[in-house]
Amino acid sequence: GAGVSQSPSNKVTEKGKDVELRCDPISGHTALYWYRQSLGQGLEFLIYFQGNSAPDKSGLPSDRFSAERTGGSVSTLTIQRTQQEDSAVYLCASSLVGWITLPRRTDTQYFGPGTRLTVL
Amino acid sequence: KQEVTQIPAALSVPEGENLVLNCSFTDSAIYNLQWFRQDPGKGLTSLLLIQSSQREQTSGRLNASLDKSSGRSTLYIAASQPGDSATYLCAVNVDRGSTLGRLYFGRGTQLTVWP
Repeated sequence: GAGVSQSPSNKVTEKGKDVELRCDPISGHTALYWYRQSLGQGLEFLIYFQGNSAPDKSGLPSDRFSAERTGGSVSTLTIQRTQQEDSAVYLCASSLVGWITLPRRTDTQYFGPGTRLTVL
Repeated sequence: KQEVTQIPAALSVPEGENLVLNCSFTDSAIYNLQWFRQDPGKGLTSLLLIQSSQREQTSGRLNASLDKSSGRSTLYIAASQPGDSATYLCAVNVDRGSTLGRLYFGRGTQLTVWP
């Protein structure tokens, strides 16, 4: 079946502009995660959605970052007033169930190919 | 905060060798541990998931072990092939309510298998 898809695959923007990154999770997956991978850094968690709500958004680095999820499916990560340090690969993952469901368990997270963001 | 370390950072071996990739984590209160591979310019592919109650998992030529008390996991790759060349990432899911399912990743081991 179809995996996690992300768009665009590449995005080049100028400092100060806003960008939107999109994630389509695997159909039926209730949990969705955003991570980013910066050059020289490991993968870092940004936000976790269970359905349309975000019980954990503690990884968002600043208030310029926001995310939403609609219909329990597609998610959009928005970065306002982009800075050069925002340049990274933004990865989205989904899993069948998430932490907040009962009985509490976590499943394999399936990752999309990522969006490479370059801020000039 | 959970810290995940992977050793070695890079490994280059001839085809056919059996390999050992190491992962250590500082907080033993994990829920599970996953091994991923990442090919250049692509996302992550899940290889194995070990629940905290398990000692090992096997898939084909891959075997992952987990020693939760010592904070270590090892990924064994048997009879390596050039197609195994990729970056291998270890990630843990921490069993603490405040983190709610996020994965903590190591920096990865970049593996090159040459013919």
